[in-house]
Amino acid sequence: EPEVTQTPSHQVTQMGQEVILRCVPISNHLYFYWYRQILGQKVEFLVSFYNNEISEKSEIFDDQFSVERPDGSNFTLKIRSTKLEDSAMYFCASNIPTGGDGKLFFGSGTQLSVL
Amino acid sequence: AQTVTQSQPEMSVQEAETVTLSCTYDTSESNYYLFWYKQPPSRQMILVIRQEAYKQQNATENRFSVNFQKAAKSFSLKISDSQLGDTAMYFCASAYNNNDMRFGAGTRLTVKP
Repeated sequence: EPEVTQTPSHQVTQMGQEVILRCVPISNHLYFYWYRQILGQKVEFLVSFYNNEISEKSEIFDDQFSVERPDGSNFTLKIRSTKLEDSAMYFCASNIPTGGDGKLFFGSGTQLSVL
Repeated sequence: AQTVTQSQPEMSVQEAETVTLSCTYDTSESNYYLFWYKQPPSRQMILVIRQEAYKQQNATENRFSVNFQKAAKSFSLKISDSQLGDTAMYFCASAYNNNDMRFGAGTRLTVKP
């Protein structure tokens, strides 16, 4: 089965540094998402992306966050100036909206640790 | 807005027994999807089962089945013949308009030998 690929699996950074989390969605998918999960808590929606623009974002997704699809295959999440509370598992997901079944395909996540 | 509520933070079951995890949701949409995802210690999100709101028949996947009560906005997961490998966090989720998915707080299930 096709997979969503995320790199790196674990990223450690210093507070105030910029990080870029990378994802390669499934090739024929059109909608892309980022979710995060603070350890022991629920999975929280951050942002959805379609047709090269953000289609929806949550209150968590403030000006420190940005997303980009720099080429035909990658989908990135940038955090400009990381804070301790940004430490979490970040999941990328994708799906086919048209005629699809609502199912999201998740990557295996990037664990971000901000020190 | 969609909200998903899982009222059981933790549950346990003996191996080979049956367990039911509860979930309620709230949406104003007429067409939506409901899901149960399993998250083992590896933290990978694994789809267990999905249900389309316009289908009255309850979805089943091998040992996993749902009890979908649309009027009550309830979507419970039944795991039959529980196995040690079923030990994980289970998240209920709803999605509409193929735009985003919202998750409940999760239920930690422990299967005891």
